[in-house]
Amino acid sequence: AQSVTQLGSHVSVSEGALVLLRCNYSSSVPPYLFWYVQYPNQGLQLLLKYTSAATLVKGINGFEAEFKKSETSFHLTKPSAHMSDAAEYFCVFRGNQFYFGTGTSLTVIP
Amino acid sequence: GAVVSQHPSRVICKSGTSVKIECRSLDFQATTMFWYRQFPKKSLMLMATSNEGSKATYEQGVEKDKFLINHASLTLSTLTVTSAHPEDSSFYICSAKALSSYEQYFGPGTRLTVT
Repeated sequence: AQSVTQLGSHVSVSEGALVLLRCNYSSSVPPYLFWYVQYPNQGLQLLLKYTSAATLVKGINGFEAEFKKSETSFHLTKPSAHMSDAAEYFCVFRGNQFYFGTGTSLTVIP
Repeated sequence: GAVVSQHPSRVICKSGTSVKIECRSLDFQATTMFWYRQFPKKSLMLMATSNEGSKATYEQGVEKDKFLINHASLTLSTLTVTSAHPEDSSFYICSAKALSSYEQYFGPGTRLTVT
């Protein structure tokens, strides 16, 4: 079965601290993986995507994610959190449809 | 590029009435459009997939007679919630995909409140 699992439904970090949001996938075929961000009452904005090219993917707003096949992971990171990063983040696996993780709510503490 | 719009952004309707939500791809031809539902503080749930000119494919547990989907053109899909009830209140998000693309582009969502 194809799926993604996001570990931690809520993550809190201090402003300026490292952001790490975890995502693991399950797939028998090479995956296409995405990270989306959702601000309150808004749609989804694509942060970055992995499409079997470089394993370290850089996205918008200073985010990046590294695809690790051996760990079946695609964790999202940002070196220094900003208040504006507070939002809901979704890891998404593309199989025959988009499979969404359960989401991680990021809180940034001033 | 790849902009998807939804209209309306918010709608309030009375129980028993029907409401239509539009999803448009503004700068590309969307051969496939998807409709999702999102409950508060939850992930997105795929409701149905529609291909231009053909009937929508509904996910298990989604009532096709209640959630009518039309994809009459390559830039427009509509979701009509018929005989709406308070439990239909939710955030509805559409996305669109071009024929040659693996990526979905999401609309800004529509907040439906049924009173």
